[in-house]
Amino acid sequence: EIVLTQSPGTLSLSPGERATLSCRASQSVSSSYLAWYQQKPGQAPRLLIYGASSRATGIPDRFSGSGSGTDFTLTISRLEPEDFAVYYCQQYGSSSITFGQGTRLEIK
Amino acid sequence: QVQLQESGPGLVKPSQTLSLTCTVSGGSISSGGYYWSWIRQHPGKGLEWIGYIYYSGSTYYNPSLKSRVTISVDTSKNQFSLKLSSVTAADTAVYYCARIVVVAATQIDYWGQGTLVTVSS
Repeated sequence: EIVLTQSPGTLSLSPGERATLSCRASQSVSSSYLAWYQQKPGQAPRLLIYGASSRATGIPDRFSGSGSGTDFTLTISRLEPEDFAVYYCQQYGSSSITFGQGTRLEIK
Repeated sequence: QVQLQESGPGLVKPSQTLSLTCTVSGGSISSGGYYWSWIRQHPGKGLEWIGYIYYSGSTYYNPSLKSRVTISVDTSKNQFSLKLSSVTAADTAVYYCARIVVVAATQIDYWGQGTLVTVSS
């Protein structure tokens, strides 16, 4: 099983700042199979990024994904108030799916 | 617009079987290119994949739950279902059904709203 480790656990930033979230895999992940989700309290997760770097439909261009192999990054260029939430990375490999433990992005 | 809706008991007794159904609207379960999945989230915790099914009936389960999980599909009703046996308090969670795209990339593009299942006597 591929383990995904997200860092930091909590990120405290102010609106307008840049956020950089990391997702590290215990073994190599195909870029096609790495996705990022945003979850707000009481809501289901929402797909942000798939294929490591492709934005899902309707996702603002301030969200971007990058990386390959075992290291992937989600960047939010300028934080808006609605961006403060929990973010998860997810991988698919060997017919199995795993999620990272999440990064909580909170208002500083 | 595809929509998924979970249904089933919100309270299950320990040692019994948890049963949930997901009804899909706005799209056919029988269309290729998708897996239909169950994912859960323990209170205040992260996401845990339970398993998924293809419309043909092929299933894949999380190894940690495999001995207790059965996922089935009813294409005539456009539904798929989850059964989790021998539940304990550790199975208390919000259960989501979801659609996984498997063409070119693999991502979960639609989620149900989630349903809280509590295991308690």
